[in-house]
Amino acid sequence: AQTVTQSQPEMSVQEAETVTLSCTYDTSENNYYLFWYKQPPSRQMILVIRQEAYKQQNATENRFSVNFQKAAKSFSLKISDSQLGDTAMYFCALYSGGSYIPTFGRGTSLIVHP
Amino acid sequence: SQTIHQWPATLVQPVGSPLSLECTVEGTSNPNLYWYRQAAGRGLQLLFYSVGIGQISSEVPQNLSASRPQDRQFILSSKKLLLSDSGFYLCAGASPNYEQYFGPGTRLTVT
Repeated sequence: AQTVTQSQPEMSVQEAETVTLSCTYDTSENNYYLFWYKQPPSRQMILVIRQEAYKQQNATENRFSVNFQKAAKSFSLKISDSQLGDTAMYFCALYSGGSYIPTFGRGTSLIVHP
Repeated sequence: SQTIHQWPATLVQPVGSPLSLECTVEGTSNPNLYWYRQAAGRGLQLLFYSVGIGQISSEVPQNLSASRPQDRQFILSSKKLLLSDSGFYLCAGASPNYEQYFGPGTRLTVT
């Protein structure tokens, strides 16, 4: 069975600062994909960033980047220059090859303060 | 890219009444489709998934059921709602790159 753990239920950051959200996972598969999703107060889930396990280079999307440590099974999300619109629940997710079912973490609630 | 449509956005139903939530997909064919439920401030609970027409897998035994009558249509139903069925219901589709695309959700309140 695969698992995803987000150990930070809540975090807060000041506007324009940098924050890192943690995620650890476990899978026996060699071929897998990792994702961060954002769920703002509107509750519409949006994909933030993805990482293929076979790629060594960390993924980056504008102000969002990941620190993918494959040996440690860690997949953290760094948000730079935090904005008020970044206030949301963030979910880490794992999809392993051969399964139709993604595994989501329990989420981290991020509040950006002005 | 695919788009997931869901309706209604909000629904208030009495205990014991039936339920039908509809989800349709635009922009792709034969997608894997999923129904999730989310309690307030909580994570996602996978209820059902489907890999094709008429193919439904249930993850959580309960009084809900799902059907996929057409390739791009996924329906969540109940014959008699319980108070515990209240929650936020999300329909999602999986892209060929394994990303999940979510609909806007339905907020269900059972009174």
